[in-house]
Amino acid sequence: GAGVSQTPSNKVTEKGKYVELRCDPISGHTALYWYRQSLGQGPEFLIYFQGTGAADDSGLPNDRFFAVRPEGSVSTLKIQRTERGDSAVYLCASSLQPGQSRDTQYFGPGTRLTVL
Amino acid sequence: AQSVAQPEDQVNVAEGNPLTVKCTYSVSGNPYLFWYVQYPNRGLQFLLKYITGDNLVKGSYGFEAEFNKSQTSFHLKKPSALVSDSALYFCAVRDIRGSTLGRLYFGRGTQLTVWP
Repeated sequence: GAGVSQTPSNKVTEKGKYVELRCDPISGHTALYWYRQSLGQGPEFLIYFQGTGAADDSGLPNDRFFAVRPEGSVSTLKIQRTERGDSAVYLCASSLQPGQSRDTQYFGPGTRLTVL
Repeated sequence: AQSVAQPEDQVNVAEGNPLTVKCTYSVSGNPYLFWYVQYPNRGLQFLLKYITGDNLVKGSYGFEAEFNKSQTSFHLKKPSALVSDSALYFCAVRDIRGSTLGRLYFGRGTQLTVWP
C-alpha cells in the first residue's frame, strides 16, 4: 500500500514568512509524528499525535511552531515568522499501535525547507 | 534520559566484505532499538528492530543487528556488503515512558560507503 507522503518536497521561503508543511500518513495509522533533521544531524522529535490530539508537543522549539491534525489523518506543521535557523528537512512518520512495544514508525520522504 | 551514540561518522568497506556499523545506547528500563537507512534525498527506511527475545535480529536487505546488554550495544552487520548499501544509517531508541511514549531518539548517523 501507499506509504507516508509529504508535500511539498521542497520549500524555499524568505525570512519572516509563514509556511505550512503537509503530511499524509499510512491509511489506518492512528499515530503521527513530526521530526526535524538539520544538516549532519539525526532527526529530532517535534510532536506526536494520537488521533486528533497532540499527545506530546514538548519537542516544538518555540511558539512559532504549531501542528494540527483535525480529522485524525492528515497533519499540517505550521511555522510562523520563519528564521534562517528553521532551515532543515522536516520528516513525518506514522505508526499503527504507539502503545505497543513492537510498534514501528514509518517515515515519509521529508520536506526540505530553506529560509533565505 | 534515552540516548544513542554512533561513534563513527563514516565507515568504508570493500564490496563483498563484511560490514559493521556501531551503536551504543543509554536507556531507563528495557531498550527498544531500531536501525533506519537514509538514501540521498529520501526519507528514513526501517531496517530492523530489537524489542525482546533473540539477541541477533534479522532485517531487510540481508542486514542483521546484535543486541548486547552488557555492552549496551546494538551494532548493525551484514556478512557481504554491496555497493548499493552505500547510504546514511541511523540507530534509534524508543521512549516507552508515559507522556513521551513513542518518541524516537536518533544518533547522528554513520555514512557507509561500499566501494567496488
